Amino acid sequence: SQTIHQWPATLVQPVGSPLSLECTVEGTSNPNLYWYRQAAGRGLQLLFYSVGIGQISSEVPQNLSASRPQDRQFILSSKKLLLSDSGFYLCAWSGLAVKDEQYFGPGTRLTVT
Amino acid sequence: AQTVTQSQPEMSVQEAETVTLSCTYDTSESDYYLFWYKQPPSRQMILVIRQEAYKQQNATENRFSVNFQKAAKSFSLKISDSQLGDAAMYFCAYRSAGDAGNMLTFGGGTRLMVKP
Repeated sequence: SQTIHQWPATLVQPVGSPLSLECTVEGTSNPNLYWYRQAAGRGLQLLFYSVGIGQISSEVPQNLSASRPQDRQFILSSKKLLLSDSGFYLCAWSGLAVKDEQYFGPGTRLTVT
Repeated sequence: AQTVTQSQPEMSVQEAETVTLSCTYDTSESDYYLFWYKQPPSRQMILVIRQEAYKQQNATENRFSVNFQKAAKSFSLKISDSQLGDAAMYFCAYRSAGDAGNMLTFGGGTRLMVKP
Protein backbone atom coordinates (compact mmCIF):
# COMPACT_ATOMS: atom_id res chain seq x y z
CA SER A 1 0.00 0.00 0.00
CA GLN A 2 1.02 3.59 -0.52
CA THR A 3 2.17 5.83 2.30
CA ILE A 4 3.28 9.42 2.46
CA HIS A 5 5.67 10.84 5.02
CA GLN A 6 6.47 14.39 6.01
CA TRP A 7 9.08 15.72 8.38
CA PRO A 8 9.57 17.39 10.62
CA ALA A 9 6.13 17.34 12.26
CA THR A 10 6.70 20.70 13.93
CA LEU A 11 9.29 23.39 13.43
CA VAL A 12 10.02 26.72 15.07
CA GLN A 13 12.40 28.92 13.14
CA PRO A 14 13.52 32.54 13.49
CA VAL A 15 12.87 35.12 10.80
CA GLY A 16 15.60 35.10 8.18
CA SER A 17 16.60 31.47 8.72
CA PRO A 18 16.48 28.85 5.95
CA LEU A 19 13.82 26.17 5.63
CA SER A 20 13.71 22.64 4.30
CA LEU A 21 10.62 20.45 4.56
CA GLU A 22 10.70 16.98 3.11
CA CYS A 23 7.99 14.75 1.75
CA THR A 24 8.42 11.17 0.53
CA VAL A 25 5.96 8.70 -0.94
CA GLU A 26 6.23 4.93 -0.79
CA GLY A 27 4.46 2.22 -2.70
CA THR A 28 3.89 4.02 -5.98
CA SER A 29 5.92 5.36 -8.86
CA ASN A 30 5.79 8.57 -10.89
CA PRO A 31 3.18 10.24 -8.71
CA ASN A 32 2.00 13.82 -9.05
CA LEU A 33 3.21 15.69 -5.95
CA TYR A 34 1.82 18.81 -4.28
CA TRP A 35 2.68 21.29 -1.56
CA TYR A 36 -0.14 23.17 0.19
CA ARG A 37 -0.16 25.77 2.93
CA GLN A 38 -3.00 26.16 5.38
CA ALA A 39 -3.27 29.25 7.57
CA ALA A 40 -5.03 28.84 10.92
CA GLY A 41 -8.74 28.15 10.41
CA ARG A 42 -8.49 28.58 6.67
CA GLY A 43 -8.58 26.50 3.52
CA LEU A 44 -5.69 25.00 1.61
CA GLN A 45 -3.63 27.07 -0.78
CA LEU A 46 -1.71 25.19 -3.47
CA LEU A 47 1.91 26.34 -3.52
CA PHE A 48 3.66 23.97 -5.93
CA TYR A 49 2.98 20.84 -7.89
CA SER A 50 5.16 18.44 -9.82
CA VAL A 51 4.31 15.92 -12.52
CA GLY A 52 7.83 14.48 -12.73
CA ILE A 53 11.45 14.69 -11.56
CA GLY A 54 12.75 18.20 -11.93
CA GLN A 55 9.37 19.52 -13.12
CA ILE A 56 7.98 22.11 -10.72
CA SER A 57 5.08 24.46 -11.25
CA SER A 58 4.49 27.37 -8.91
CA GLU A 59 0.99 28.57 -8.22
CA VAL A 60 1.72 31.50 -5.95
CA PRO A 61 4.68 33.93 -6.13
CA GLN A 62 6.33 33.86 -2.73
CA ASN A 63 9.36 33.37 -0.60
CA LEU A 64 9.37 29.62 -1.11
CA SER A 65 10.71 27.17 -3.67
CA ALA A 66 10.26 23.47 -4.31
CA SER A 67 12.38 20.72 -5.78
CA ARG A 68 11.89 17.12 -6.77
CA PRO A 69 15.31 15.46 -6.80
CA GLN A 70 13.90 11.94 -6.92
CA ASP A 71 10.70 10.42 -8.23
CA ARG A 72 9.06 10.12 -4.83
CA GLN A 73 10.72 12.97 -2.96
CA PHE A 74 9.41 16.53 -2.81
CA ILE A 75 11.19 19.29 -0.90
CA LEU A 76 9.92 22.72 0.11
CA SER A 77 12.60 25.30 0.81
CA SER A 78 13.24 28.89 1.66
CA LYS A 79 16.48 30.83 1.90
CA LYS A 80 15.10 33.38 4.38
CA LEU A 81 11.88 32.83 6.27
CA LEU A 82 9.33 35.59 6.81
CA LEU A 83 6.77 35.83 9.61
CA SER A 84 4.07 35.33 6.99
CA ASP A 85 5.49 31.89 6.15
CA SER A 86 4.05 30.50 9.39
CA GLY A 87 1.35 27.92 8.84
CA PHE A 88 0.57 24.28 8.36
CA TYR A 89 2.22 22.70 5.31
CA LEU A 90 0.71 19.67 3.70
CA CYS A 91 2.23 17.44 1.06
CA ALA A 92 0.00 15.30 -1.14
CA TRP A 93 0.33 12.84 -3.98
CA SER A 94 -1.98 11.51 -6.66
CA GLY A 95 -1.86 9.03 -9.48
CA LEU A 96 -1.74 10.20 -13.06
CA ALA A 97 -5.33 9.34 -14.00
CA VAL A 98 -7.69 12.28 -13.89
CA LYS A 99 -10.04 10.38 -11.59
CA ASP A 100 -7.33 9.72 -9.01
CA GLU A 101 -7.79 11.38 -5.66
CA GLN A 102 -5.10 13.20 -3.73
CA TYR A 103 -3.68 11.57 -0.61
CA PHE A 104 -2.29 13.84 2.05
CA GLY A 105 0.60 13.54 4.44
CA PRO A 106 0.36 14.31 8.16
CA GLY A 107 1.63 17.87 7.70
CA THR A 108 4.27 20.14 9.22
CA ARG A 109 3.39 22.95 11.57
CA LEU A 110 5.82 25.82 10.96
CA THR A 111 6.09 28.76 13.33
CA VAL A 112 8.34 31.62 12.34
CA THR A 113 9.30 33.80 15.31
CA ALA B 1 -10.27 30.32 -12.86
CA GLN B 2 -12.45 28.07 -10.81
CA THR B 3 -13.60 29.10 -7.36
CA VAL B 4 -15.16 27.08 -4.58
CA THR B 5 -17.27 28.71 -1.89
CA GLN B 6 -18.39 27.29 1.43
CA SER B 7 -20.76 29.84 2.93
CA GLN B 8 -21.05 28.24 6.37
CA PRO B 9 -17.93 28.83 8.48
CA GLU B 10 -19.39 26.77 11.33
CA MET B 11 -22.21 24.29 11.77
CA SER B 12 -23.38 22.28 14.72
CA VAL B 13 -25.49 19.15 14.93
CA GLN B 14 -26.84 16.99 17.69
CA GLU B 15 -25.45 13.49 17.87
CA ALA B 16 -27.56 11.04 15.78
CA GLU B 17 -29.13 13.90 13.81
CA THR B 18 -28.57 14.86 10.17
CA VAL B 19 -26.65 17.88 8.95
CA THR B 20 -26.03 19.32 5.49
CA LEU B 21 -22.93 21.30 4.55
CA SER B 22 -23.15 23.61 1.54
CA CYS B 23 -20.70 24.15 -1.30
CA THR B 24 -20.99 26.10 -4.52
CA TYR B 25 -18.44 26.41 -7.29
CA ASP B 26 -17.90 28.46 -10.36
CA THR B 27 -16.61 26.92 -13.58
CA SER B 28 -17.12 27.15 -17.31
CA GLU B 29 -16.15 23.53 -17.82
CA SER B 30 -18.54 20.62 -18.28
CA ASP B 31 -16.33 17.76 -17.14
CA TYR B 32 -14.89 17.85 -13.65
CA TYR B 33 -14.73 16.13 -10.28
CA LEU B 34 -15.91 17.30 -6.89
CA PHE B 35 -14.68 16.10 -3.52
CA TRP B 36 -15.41 16.46 0.16
CA TYR B 37 -12.43 16.14 2.49
CA LYS B 38 -12.52 15.88 6.27
CA GLN B 39 -9.80 17.34 8.49
CA PRO B 40 -10.13 16.21 12.12
CA PRO B 41 -8.15 17.84 14.95
CA SER B 42 -5.16 15.69 13.97
CA ARG B 43 -5.19 17.78 10.74
CA GLN B 44 -4.83 14.69 8.55
CA MET B 45 -6.88 15.29 5.38
CA ILE B 46 -9.19 12.38 4.63
CA LEU B 47 -11.30 11.93 1.52
CA VAL B 48 -14.96 11.53 2.43
CA ILE B 49 -16.69 11.30 -0.93
CA ARG B 50 -16.18 11.99 -4.63
CA GLN B 51 -18.60 12.93 -7.42
CA GLU B 52 -17.96 12.82 -11.16
CA ALA B 53 -19.78 15.63 -12.95
CA TYR B 54 -20.87 13.39 -15.81
CA LYS B 55 -22.74 11.11 -13.41
CA GLN B 56 -26.27 12.20 -12.58
CA GLN B 57 -26.54 9.84 -9.64
CA ASN B 58 -25.50 11.34 -6.34
CA ALA B 59 -22.56 9.63 -4.65
CA THR B 60 -23.08 7.84 -1.35
CA GLU B 61 -20.60 6.44 1.17
CA ASN B 62 -22.27 4.88 4.19
CA ARG B 63 -23.64 7.80 6.28
CA PHE B 64 -22.31 10.39 3.84
CA SER B 65 -24.13 11.44 0.69
CA VAL B 66 -24.08 14.39 -1.66
CA ASN B 67 -26.69 16.46 -3.42
CA PHE B 68 -25.07 17.39 -6.72
CA GLN B 69 -26.95 20.03 -8.72
CA LYS B 70 -24.87 20.62 -11.84
CA ALA B 71 -26.97 23.40 -13.31
CA ALA B 72 -26.91 25.28 -10.01
CA LYS B 73 -23.23 24.45 -9.48
CA SER B 74 -24.03 23.19 -6.01
CA PHE B 75 -22.49 20.24 -4.18
CA SER B 76 -23.73 19.76 -0.64
CA LEU B 77 -22.71 17.04 1.81
CA LYS B 78 -25.27 15.32 4.01
CA ILE B 79 -24.13 13.48 7.11
CA SER B 80 -26.74 11.18 8.58
CA ASP B 81 -26.75 9.76 12.11
CA SER B 82 -23.99 12.17 13.13
CA GLN B 83 -21.34 10.80 15.44
CA LEU B 84 -18.91 12.53 17.76
CA GLY B 85 -16.09 11.45 15.47
CA ASP B 86 -17.61 13.47 12.64
CA ALA B 87 -16.51 16.67 14.36
CA ALA B 88 -13.93 18.21 12.02
CA MET B 89 -13.28 20.80 9.35
CA TYR B 90 -14.87 19.83 6.06
CA PHE B 91 -13.52 21.08 2.76
CA CYS B 92 -15.17 21.00 -0.61
CA ALA B 93 -12.79 20.74 -3.58
CA TYR B 94 -12.98 20.96 -7.36
CA ARG B 95 -10.81 19.39 -10.03
CA SER B 96 -11.03 19.94 -13.77
CA ALA B 97 -11.06 16.74 -15.81
CA GLY B 98 -8.83 18.43 -18.34
CA ASP B 99 -6.11 19.34 -15.87
CA ALA B 100 -2.98 17.28 -16.45
CA GLY B 101 -1.71 18.07 -12.98
CA ASN B 102 -4.85 16.85 -11.20
CA MET B 103 -4.85 20.01 -9.11
CA LEU B 104 -7.54 20.70 -6.55
CA THR B 105 -9.18 24.03 -5.75
CA PHE B 106 -10.45 24.08 -2.17
CA GLY B 107 -13.19 26.03 -0.46
CA GLY B 108 -12.56 27.84 2.79
CA GLY B 109 -13.97 25.04 4.92
CA THR B 110 -16.83 24.48 7.36
CA ARG B 111 -16.17 23.58 10.97
CA LEU B 112 -18.67 20.96 12.12
CA MET B 113 -19.33 20.55 15.82
CA VAL B 114 -21.24 17.53 17.10
CA LYS B 115 -23.07 17.90 20.40
CA PRO B 116 -23.54 14.81 22.59
